[in-house]
Amino acid sequence: GAGVSQTPSNKVTEKGKYVELRCDPISGHTALYWYRQSLGQGPEFLIYFQGTGAADDSGLPNDRFFAVRPEGSVSTLKIQRTERGDSAVYLCASSLLRGGAGLYNEQFFGPGTRLTVL
Amino acid sequence: AQSVSQHNHHVILSEAASLELGCNYSYGGTVNLFWYVQYPGQHLQLLLKYFSGDPLVKGIKGFEAEFIKSKFSFNLRKPSVQWSDTAEYFCAAKEGSQGNLIFGKGTKLSVKP
Repeated sequence: GAGVSQTPSNKVTEKGKYVELRCDPISGHTALYWYRQSLGQGPEFLIYFQGTGAADDSGLPNDRFFAVRPEGSVSTLKIQRTERGDSAVYLCASSLLRGGAGLYNEQFFGPGTRLTVL
Repeated sequence: AQSVSQHNHHVILSEAASLELGCNYSYGGTVNLFWYVQYPGQHLQLLLKYFSGDPLVKGIKGFEAEFIKSKFSFNLRKPSVQWSDTAEYFCAAKEGSQGNLIFGKGTKLSVKP
């Protein structure tokens, strides 16, 4: 079946603009994760959803970042007043259900959206 | 806070050489450990995982990793690398009750044919 998809694949914007990045998880996956990968770094956790609600948003760097998942499927990461430091690849992953202690469900990653803020 | 360290930034090997990539994590409680691989132009894929039982874990494509709790390590190994193993390798950890993964900075592996 189809994997995790993300659109757009590339986004170039100017400092101060608003952007939206979309993630389409694997059908039936209830957990959805957003990560950010800066050059030379590993992916860094931003937020994850269990169903429609944000179960943990502790990784969001500041209040310019916000994410929604209104119907428990597609998710949108929204960045207001973009800054040059927001330039990175934004990765989305989904899994069948949230992993608790001793239980892990593989996270499947999408191809990412490369965001460049000029 | 939990962290994951990968000490090798870039490893260059010839085909048929043996590989060992280091990974250390900082968390002392229940932890699940993973290695992900990213081939050029492709997305992150799970190579192998450990969450309980036999500390020697076998993954895809002949890779294995050993969980050594006393050393907080989860090193990745392959006895004989191929040119097609050229990729970036990421070690990741998950605390017992958390959902998200914490990644190391990655190790780029280049295999010369």
